[in-house]
Order: sequence, then structure tokens, then C-alpha cells
Amino acid sequence: DAGVIQSPRHEVTEMGQEVTLRCKPISGHDYLFWYRQTMMRGLELLIYFNNNVPIDDSGMPEDRFSAKMPNASFSTLKIQPSEPRDSAVYFCASSRSRGDEQFFGPGTRLTVL
Amino acid sequence: GNSVTQMEGPVTLSEEAFLTINCTYTATGYPSLFWYVQYPGEGLQLLLKATKADDKGSNKGFEATYRKETTSFHLEKGSVQVSDSAVYFCALSGDTDKLIFGTGTRLQVFP
Repeated sequence: DAGVIQSPRHEVTEMGQEVTLRCKPISGHDYLFWYRQTMMRGLELLIYFNNNVPIDDSGMPEDRFSAKMPNASFSTLKIQPSEPRDSAVYFCASSRSRGDEQFFGPGTRLTVL
Repeated sequence: GNSVTQMEGPVTLSEEAFLTINCTYTATGYPSLFWYVQYPGEGLQLLLKATKADDKGSNKGFEATYRKETTSFHLEKGSVQVSDSAVYFCALSGDTDKLIFGTGTRLQVFP
């Protein structure tokens, strides 16, 4: 299996632009998680899905952030409009079942100028 | 609620030294416990896990024992290498869908 795939690996954009991050989970995994990691705040859970349905989005910082999972093999995290404080590494992870080990993607390093 | 507490880093060691990174937890029921490792520029990857009391997880020379009486899951390695330099995260899964992660402990190993 190829593991969790994320794209792009690096994204540099200007403040106010829309940013879309993409994730392909491991086939057969029922759960998908989006995390953000910064030096200041560490690793934060933003939102997670079960069987393509958003379950808990309490970690999404603002209405500028939105996430979708249109099918079992694809999810997006969108920031519109982006701000410099959104600069971070964004990870996607998937797990087979409830409370099971999570497999992380390589992350997308986002820089908002 | 469920929580994980890890020792503050960085932990700085010389090559071949003994490593301990402390992890304690608070949880209802019988959680599974995990150690993840994050190498520079990479995502987190599972290092080892234990699913019930007294279980010992092990991988790549690292070990951790699930101690219910002390609610701990300390990570140990007998002889660290420079290549072990990374950030280590303790995590638990309780009666929820998600994992609860500690804040991470940075390990720096010098030749």
C-alpha cells in the first residue's frame, strides 16, 4: 500500500488567496483526520471524518477553514482567505477503525506571505 | 477527560547512552497506548503500541510497558544512536474515535 498521500508537499501563497490541501487515505480505512502542527501550538486536531461524514470539527480555528470528504478515497482542507498565521505543516492521517493506530501522511508545509 | 503528559524536552544524550522518556496518562476504562516518532521533515509514524495492562511494545530497540498501576507508558532504549534524533509522541485511545497525543519530546543524540 502506498500509505497516506498528501499534495502538495509545499505551498507558498500570498495572504488572501485560497489554499486547498488534498489527502488520499489508505484504502479500507474508515477514519480520516486533519491535523495542524506549529512550533507554538504543537500538534492540533482540526477535524475528523468517519465513513466520509464529518464527526467533530471543533478544532477548526475559524470559518475560513473548511473540509470535505466527497468519497472514501479523497479529502480536502480549504483555507479561504489565507492569512500568515495559517502557516504551518498540515497532516492528514487515517485509521482502520475506532481508536486504532493512525497512519500519517508526509504533510503539506504551508507558507502564507 | 483523557489526557497524556510527557516529560519536557529536549533530551540530550551521547551516542550509546540509555534513554528514558516518561509518559503518564489519565483515562477511563482500558485505553490502548502508543508511541509515535517524527523525524525531521516527516510525518508521525507508529513506533510501538500496547493494548492491555502489562503488555510490552517493542520496535527498533525501543520498548515501553503498559503499567496500569502507575498509569505510565515510559519509552526506553538501551543504547541510542544519532539516527534516533527525532520528536517522540506518546498517545492513547480511550472510549473515543480519536487518539489523544502528548506534546512531544525532542531527543538529540550527539556522537
